[in-house]
Amino acid sequence: AQKITQTQPGMFVQEKEAVTLDCTYDTSDPSYGLFWYKQPSSGEMIFLIYQGSYDQQNATEGRYSLNFQKARKSANLVISASQLGDSAMYFCAMREGPPAAGNKLTFGGGTRVLVKP
Amino acid sequence: GAVVSQHPSWVICKSGTSVKIECRSLDFQATTMFWYRQFPKQSLMLMATSNEGSKATYEQGVEKDKFLINHASLTLSTLTVTSAHPEDSSFYICSHGGISYNEQFFGPGTRLTVL
Repeated sequence: AQKITQTQPGMFVQEKEAVTLDCTYDTSDPSYGLFWYKQPSSGEMIFLIYQGSYDQQNATEGRYSLNFQKARKSANLVISASQLGDSAMYFCAMREGPPAAGNKLTFGGGTRVLVKP
Repeated sequence: GAVVSQHPSWVICKSGTSVKIECRSLDFQATTMFWYRQFPKQSLMLMATSNEGSKATYEQGVEKDKFLINHASLTLSTLTVTSAHPEDSSFYICSHGGISYNEQFFGPGTRLTVL
């Protein structure tokens, strides 16, 4: 079974509008972390936001917020006020187990976002 | 945050040759580094976990004799693609964690093209 699922392969969004990128995950570990990364065409991985499994509040970072629904095992990314520079691939990733330097990330298939002017 | 460099940023080689990719942590001593592979229009797939001073741990389906990993120091891990073939053409990215729980620092990637 897929550990991280992103069901939207591609999305168009109008500039200045909000967009929600879906991510569901599967783990039996009570301690885990969820990450969202942006990958522009250059290939670099840009960290956007993090949510820990024990965090009581949804994470927010500027225009990025994470809609964390633990019971549904979903961690959707919301980008508000989309900008042309937001056009990129977006990956959801999960770390299973408590935070440690040796914990690897498992990535979802990604969602390509194209912002229209 | 930590800075991770990779060298080369891109390489083109002939089929059958070996290619070495370096991953350097410029300001963090990383006992563990990760190597990912990303084929065009696909996601990142973990290939192996590189451990300083010991053998790497490879993911299922990754040939350890083909993808040689050396992590001889806390700031350098190398991935050598031996006897490269066109199907090895991909984007290779390294990363390592940091002090904080939400830190994972990625290198800029190396694009390998095997002719």
